[in-house]
Amino acid sequence: EMELTQSPDILSVSPGERATLSCRSSQGVKTNLAWYQQRPGRAPRLLIYGASIRATDVPARFSGSGSGTDFTLTISSLQSEDFAVYFCQQYNNWPPLTFGQGTRLDIK
Amino acid sequence: QVQLQESGPGLVKASETLSLTCTVSGGPISGSYWTWIRQAPGKGLEWLGYIYYTGSTKYNPSLRSRLSMEVDTSKSHFSLKLASMTAADTAIYYCARGLEVRTYFFDYWGQGTLVTVSS
Repeated sequence: EMELTQSPDILSVSPGERATLSCRSSQGVKTNLAWYQQRPGRAPRLLIYGASIRATDVPARFSGSGSGTDFTLTISSLQSEDFAVYFCQQYNNWPPLTFGQGTRLDIK
Repeated sequence: QVQLQESGPGLVKASETLSLTCTVSGGPISGSYWTWIRQAPGKGLEWLGYIYYTGSTKYNPSLRSRLSMEVDTSKSHFSLKLASMTAADTAIYYCARGLEVRTYFFDYWGQGTLVTVSS
């Protein structure tokens, strides 16, 4: 089973600053990686697919990068609504489809 | 705008079978990979499997012996059955849409339904 490891588990950042979240896969997944945002009590929301392609209506302050085993989600100039949990998901080697354990982005 | 809505019991007894339905509106049920994902309280996301609108399925190997899915295109809904429920199956169950099996990520999600397993 393909493992995805996100770091850090918790990231504390002040509003207006940049946040950088990491996702590392146990095997190469090319660019077959997506990122989701999950606000408390809500379903996940697709942010990024293909490692770097923003989904519809996702603000430009969200950007994704990486290929192979190392990926990054960057949120420039954090807004209050961005404080949430973020998950990565690979769709290169499955079943089973796998998700990272999540990074919680907290207000500093 | 595609919308998905889960329905089913919020409480299931241990050893019984969970049945959930996801109703699709605002778009066709054809051509997509209709997926179930769950999230145990305070935990991460676990992919359960998908059913294509033609009825073909693919399940998480860890659940394959207990899991089945069906689709009813005439009613624009799909369903999940998970047998022999235990406390470890307590989770929020989400249905979601995957557009392609080669680019299998999820652009629309239901709001989720909490299922609690009682002893």
